[in-house]
Amino acid sequence: DGGITQSPKYLFRKEGQNVTLSCEQNLNHDAMYWYRQDPGQGLRLIYYSQIVNDFQKGDIAEGYSVSREKKESFPLTVTSAQKNPTAFYLCASSMGTGDGYTFGSGTRLTVV
Amino acid sequence: AQTVTQSQPEMSVQEAETVTLSCTYDTSESDYYLFWYKQPPSRQMILVIRQEAYKQQNATENRFSVNFQKAAKSFSLKISDSQLGDAAMYFCAQRDYGQNFVFGPGTRLSVLP
Repeated sequence: DGGITQSPKYLFRKEGQNVTLSCEQNLNHDAMYWYRQDPGQGLRLIYYSQIVNDFQKGDIAEGYSVSREKKESFPLTVTSAQKNPTAFYLCASSMGTGDGYTFGSGTRLTVV
Repeated sequence: AQTVTQSQPEMSVQEAETVTLSCTYDTSESDYYLFWYKQPPSRQMILVIRQEAYKQQNATENRFSVNFQKAAKSFSLKISDSQLGDAAMYFCAQRDYGQNFVFGPGTRLSVLP
């Protein structure tokens, strides 16, 4: 079955450490997205990519980096510059402009 | 800029009853799309219903229907015959043609047995 796989489901980061969240899709979607969700809040866009080898900053890109070397993969790195990284991270993909997003199951990142 | 507002942070409904969740949005475009997403405790985001702005007919998906008022920029979600499994956060989202989604802050729906 087609879908989006995010891993790991839970991730713990030490202070000053970079961590990478994985997002893989087999839906043949062109566009992929990373969102951050804090408790009791909506989704905020971190980065998005509409085509391989190209990506754009969203509303809260500071302290994050991404790559899009393959259509299927859009990993997110949370760098040490991100001062408050504890949150729930959702990856999504979309085929076309009018299509809804298909979401992964999310990664819960906690700073320890 | 696009904005989406959900004025009800929390709602509750009795099982088997009907509930309506409100959503208003702001866009300068005439061609856009509207969505309702459900996020249950598992936190998996699930698409509930989709509406194309150029279509006047309100979208319906089984027990879920919308009341789309384009002039008022209103897009409410009606859940009929509410079930315990409907308990979740519900997010309204709007997407201009060629642009990214904008999500509302969400409404937490509780279903009372």
